[in-house]
Amino acid sequence: DIQMTQSPSSLSASVGDRVTITCRASQSISSYLNWYQQEPGKAPKLLIYAASSLQSGVPSRFSGSGSGTDFTLTISSLQPEDFATYYCQQSYSPPTWTFGQGTKVEIK
Amino acid sequence: QVQLQESGPGLVKPSETLSLTCTVSGASIRRDHWSWIRQPPGKGLEWIGYIYYSGSTNYNPSLKSRVTISVDTSKNQFSLKLNSVTAADTAVYYCARVSVFVGYCSGGSCQYYYMDVWGKGTTVAVSS
Repeated sequence: DIQMTQSPSSLSASVGDRVTITCRASQSISSYLNWYQQEPGKAPKLLIYAASSLQSGVPSRFSGSGSGTDFTLTISSLQPEDFATYYCQQSYSPPTWTFGQGTKVEIK
Repeated sequence: QVQLQESGPGLVKPSETLSLTCTVSGASIRRDHWSWIRQPPGKGLEWIGYIYYSGSTNYNPSLKSRVTISVDTSKNQFSLKLNSVTAADTAVYYCARVSVFVGYCSGGSCQYYYMDVWGKGTTVAVSS
């Protein structure tokens, strides 16, 4: 199975900060990488698909990059509504799709 | 607007079968793939499996021996059955639509799958 490792597991940041979350795959997954945001008590929400494509309706301050094994989710200017947990997910390898363990973004 | 709604018992006894249904509104189930995902309390997300409207399925190998996902196109629903449950199966269970983006990659075109519409989730506790 392909393992997905996110770093950091949590971070503290202030409104307006630039935030970067990293996701590393245990083997190359080309661009088969998605990012989700989950607020407490809510379902996950798709932010980025195919590593760098912004889902419709998602603010442009979110961006994704990377290919192969190393990927990044960047929030260019953190807003109050962005405090949440972020998950990466690989869709390269059926039969198993796997998620990273999550990165919790907290208020500093 | 596509909406998904999970339904089913909130409490299941150990060794019994967990059964959930996802009702799709605003879109026909006769396209796309449809998926189940779960999240134990305080933990991360685990993909359970997906089904195509034709009935073809793909399951997480760690759950494959206990999982069945089926589709009822007449009701625009798909379902999850997980047998021989234990306390470790206690979780919030989500259903989601799987969409595909066809992009270019080395060697031609590639199909990028992603889960773009999610239900709100339903909590299932396994306890006697």
